[in-house]
Amino acid sequence: GAVVSQHPSRVICKSGTSVKIECRSLDFQATTMFWYRQFPKQSLMLMATSNEGSKATYEQGVEKDKFLINHASLTLSTLTVTSAHPEDSSFYICSPLLGETQYFGPGTRLLVL
Amino acid sequence: GNSVTQMEGPVTLSEEAFLTINCTYTATGYPSLFWYVQYPGEGLQLLLKATKADDKGSNKGFEATYRKETTSFHLEKGSVQVSDSAVYFCALETGGTSYGKLTFGQGTILTVHP
Repeated sequence: GAVVSQHPSRVICKSGTSVKIECRSLDFQATTMFWYRQFPKQSLMLMATSNEGSKATYEQGVEKDKFLINHASLTLSTLTVTSAHPEDSSFYICSPLLGETQYFGPGTRLLVL
Repeated sequence: GNSVTQMEGPVTLSEEAFLTINCTYTATGYPSLFWYVQYPGEGLQLLLKATKADDKGSNKGFEATYRKETTSFHLEKGSVQVSDSAVYFCALETGGTSYGKLTFGQGTILTVHP
């Protein structure tokens, strides 16, 4: 099946710093990428949708200037959490779309101190 | 808005026991319904899906039937194995402009003991 990787798998950073999370589809090309966030004991919440070469579309309540998404190629999308604060600590999951099937990365756990 | 409610876990069973994980939903229109499974250290994988009322999705011995009258999509398996230990997510998608955008339940942790 399709393989999706995320890097890093976990990261700890200081408040005020920026963190970049990479998502790669290793054996397929994805024109559409979804980014989800999951807080402890809660469901995955969609943050934004991006199409290759276009600006991302953000869900209501998600700050586009804080969560920068770049989908510059069909195999790589990045999510940058800018000026991270403790409330941004969460589990971030990318989900590339291939045809009618969504695949998911293993997730990145972010802890902001 | 759309929402999905799953039975709270964790669920702990002995091998060969019967499994039911309840899932109910609220949605506008006629959503497609999904069950995803996440094994430790891996990404979510599609387990099964149903796209219209009374459809039954099935895979790897798991089944779920799309019940419009009760807005439910309960996951069942007749005899679980240790290898079924994972987190299970119920989800829906309403299509149209929301194509590909999934609304998830909170997940249910299943642990199966030998």
